[in-house]
Parts: sequence; structure tokens; C-alpha cells
Amino acid sequence: GQNIDQPTEMTATEGAIVQINCTYQTSGFNGLFWYQQHAGEAPTFLSYNVLDGLEEKGRFSSFLSRSKGYSYLLLKELQMKDSASYLCAVMDSNYQLIWGAGTKLIIKP
Amino acid sequence: IAGITQAPTSQILAAGRRMTLRCTQDMRHNAMYWYRQDLGLGLRLIHYSNTAGTTGKGEVPDGYSVSRANTDDFPLTLASAVPSQTSVYFCASSPGLAENNEQFFGPGTRLTVL
Repeated sequence: GQNIDQPTEMTATEGAIVQINCTYQTSGFNGLFWYQQHAGEAPTFLSYNVLDGLEEKGRFSSFLSRSKGYSYLLLKELQMKDSASYLCAVMDSNYQLIWGAGTKLIIKP
Repeated sequence: IAGITQAPTSQILAAGRRMTLRCTQDMRHNAMYWYRQDLGLGLRLIHYSNTAGTTGKGEVPDGYSVSRANTDDFPLTLASAVPSQTSVYFCASSPGLAENNEQFFGPGTRLTVL
């Protein structure tokens, strides 16, 4: 079966760094996406990885290891507005997204 | 219109009633999707359309139907609502079937079936 695993909830301090992990088992792989979703709002795109390695975009970076079925999202210099859920999704062989349940990130002052 | 819109924003519905959730995008995207989001679960695909005139079943299609008469509109119909269909429904679109095509989401419809 297809499975995406990520922690349910994480807590971090404003100004710190946090790493949100995602492991996956899917039928086929056409890339991995990270989305941010604030409470009561729609998901918004953060990053896309299809090759192994690190993609950096400002304060956010995303890493992929295809051989390990593993990705992480790294958030630096945390701000209160980063409090949100972070969704990991894998595009399968049919170009459909398989979604993890999301990681709720709580930022404390 | 800018992006993707959904209507209604929220709805309370009696079980057994028929309901259509509307979704419109103005980005000329070929692909459109309907998801439901429930607490503790990931987004689950209900139905999708890769291009106008075609539709397909996702992971949880039972009790739902869709149509794609044109590029812009992708309505989702619940023929006879049941309480287990209480959820937040998101419509999304993407340019087409390609690896790096991100999906753009509408604001969602919060549906309660009593």
C-alpha cells in the first residue's frame, strides 16, 4: 500500500531551527512536495524535490533521499507566523498526490 | 476572479439531501481535483479531471460525482448526503500532468451533514 508518515505535532522556539521529517512508501515516484497550511486556510506550495539533495528557498529548505524514501523540511529563524501545519505529499506514478496527515508546528516565544 | 474559488464557504445539510459544491478557476489549468480533509488524516482525493471532458475516481469516490463540461468549472455533487461526509472540501487545480506541477487550492467548503 501507499503510506506517508510524518510527526503529528512539533514545538519550537521563535528564532530557532526545526526539522520536520517525512518518510514514504508509494507506487512510483514523480517528486515530493511540501505545503504549508494555516488553521482554517487552504494549503499553499512551499517546495518540490525530485532529485536527491537539498533545495534551499530563503528560510526554508527541503531535502530528499529517494533511496531511503525520506525527506525533511528545514525551517530556520522561526517566526510566530510559521505556526501552521506542514503537509508532505508524494506524486505517484499516475501523477496523483498522496498526502501525509500533516505536522502541526507550534512556535513559542 | 483571481485563482480558484469555491462556493459555498460553509453549509449545514440534512442527511439525505442533495448538494453541489462549486469550484471555478481562471488560470486555464487543465487538471482539477476534489479533496476532503478530515482531522488526523491527510488530504484524500475524491475525484479528478485531467482535462475538460474527462473525469476519474480518486481514493474515496463513493457517494460523490463530478462533471467537467469546460476548463474553468468542476462541481462536486453529493447525491444523498450522509453524516460521514461531514468534512472540509478543497478544490485544486494544476497546469496539467507533469512531475513538477504544483497544485493550487481553493479556500475550501466546510460541510456539516446532520
